[in-house]
Amino acid sequence: DAKTTQPTSMDCAEGRAANLPCNHSTISGNEYVYWYRQIHSQGPQYIIHGLKNNETNEMASLIITEDRKSSTLILPHATLRDTAVYYCIVRQYGNKLVFGAGTILRVKS
Amino acid sequence: EPEVTQTPSHQVTQMGQEVILRCVPISNHLYFYWYRQILGQKVEFLVSFYNNEISEKSEIFDDQFSVERPDGSNFTLKIRSTKLEDSAMYFCASSGSALANSEAFFGQGTRLTVV
Repeated sequence: DAKTTQPTSMDCAEGRAANLPCNHSTISGNEYVYWYRQIHSQGPQYIIHGLKNNETNEMASLIITEDRKSSTLILPHATLRDTAVYYCIVRQYGNKLVFGAGTILRVKS
Repeated sequence: EPEVTQTPSHQVTQMGQEVILRCVPISNHLYFYWYRQILGQKVEFLVSFYNNEISEKSEIFDDQFSVERPDGSNFTLKIRSTKLEDSAMYFCASSGSALANSEAFFGQGTRLTVV
């Protein structure tokens, strides 16, 4: 699976958009970009995934660059409950999810 | 909303004892996974399971570990003889298919403490 690079931590003001970047320069054509988050030691929570088009759901938006070498997860209006570790993962068919260290997002009031 | 459920939420066991961690995946899912997370470390893949067979396993998943789907709803992880270093959160996950665009959903985990 392609490796991803994320910042170690980020801060965001409550009510503002949180933009979490991810680099995946070695991604191959059949690999999807997934985002999960983990609050405290709870189970990882699925957020969103995409192949090449931008995606939006009730939780977030995923913007993937045209060359697919990087992506950004956008939480449009961050709340204190969005404080978590966010994982960007590149996934192939049939493959397990390989978690890195992720980005610690701290939402502050 | 369908969810993956795990029991127990916390298990304390003595070193050398056998433990069984239980999971009920989402009902129409066919692919099942176990992951673990040692305190302060990354979430690590242990094993994937499909059609009553192990599809893939990591180096962590040695002979002390086994998985089973004993009936149509449960998916279990057994550790035969626990060691102190098995203390961790264990997460079960399930997905509808092995396609790369089939998201996996995780349970809330079982905290295993080996004393």
